[in-house]
Amino acid sequence: DVKVTQSSRYLVKRTGEKVFLECVQDMDHENMFWYRQDPGLGLRLIYFSYDVKMKEKGDIPEGYSVSREKKERFSLILESASTNQTSMYLCASSPNLRTSGFFTDTQYFGPGTRLTVL
Amino acid sequence: DQQVKQNSPSLSVQEGRISILNCDYTNSMFDYFLWYKKYPAEGPTFLISISSIKDKNEDGRFTVFLNKSAKHLSLHIVPSQPGDSAVYFCAARTYSSNYKLTFGKGTLLTVNP
Repeated sequence: DVKVTQSSRYLVKRTGEKVFLECVQDMDHENMFWYRQDPGLGLRLIYFSYDVKMKEKGDIPEGYSVSREKKERFSLILESASTNQTSMYLCASSPNLRTSGFFTDTQYFGPGTRLTVL
Repeated sequence: DQQVKQNSPSLSVQEGRISILNCDYTNSMFDYFLWYKKYPAEGPTFLISISSIKDKNEDGRFTVFLNKSAKHLSLHIVPSQPGDSAVYFCAARTYSSNYKLTFGKGTLLTVNP
């Protein structure tokens, strides 16, 4: 069974603080992702990584950075937290599979971190 | 520009009846589609998927239909159960998307006993 864990379920930080969100997966997946989920906006991709030390910007990377030093761990960093970064943050991982010419990798999600920035 | 649209924010059905959740997309390059289910305070869980070479995929009570000409897919749940009450997200990807999924905004399904 795939296990994706996130370091905190709930986090409260102050404006301007540096915030680290950690994600660990135990299935040796190549790909890892950070999303945020907001009411009425669905899931929006912040950053993803397809290999150690490799990263690509998603749809809303502004105000965030990421780090992937080990295959199993993907960190999301808020350099200077702001109130508009209050959200549910979801980490996901996926294997690198190809079936019949299609990428069929399914993303497996962690439980999420509810971050509140005051 | 929203490439994956779930136009119904919510849906309510009676236990035992069919639930039909709809999803439309605009990017003709999408070739793989997934449905995820999400309970409150939990991460989304994968439900079922379909590739563009098929028009139907079935897994137990869940069936996904794909109409490529209409750029429309739907998830059918038969029979619906109260435990199916959750937010359902439609997602899509392109062959060359480098593993990225594009998600819709979700539909909240409520199954009444």
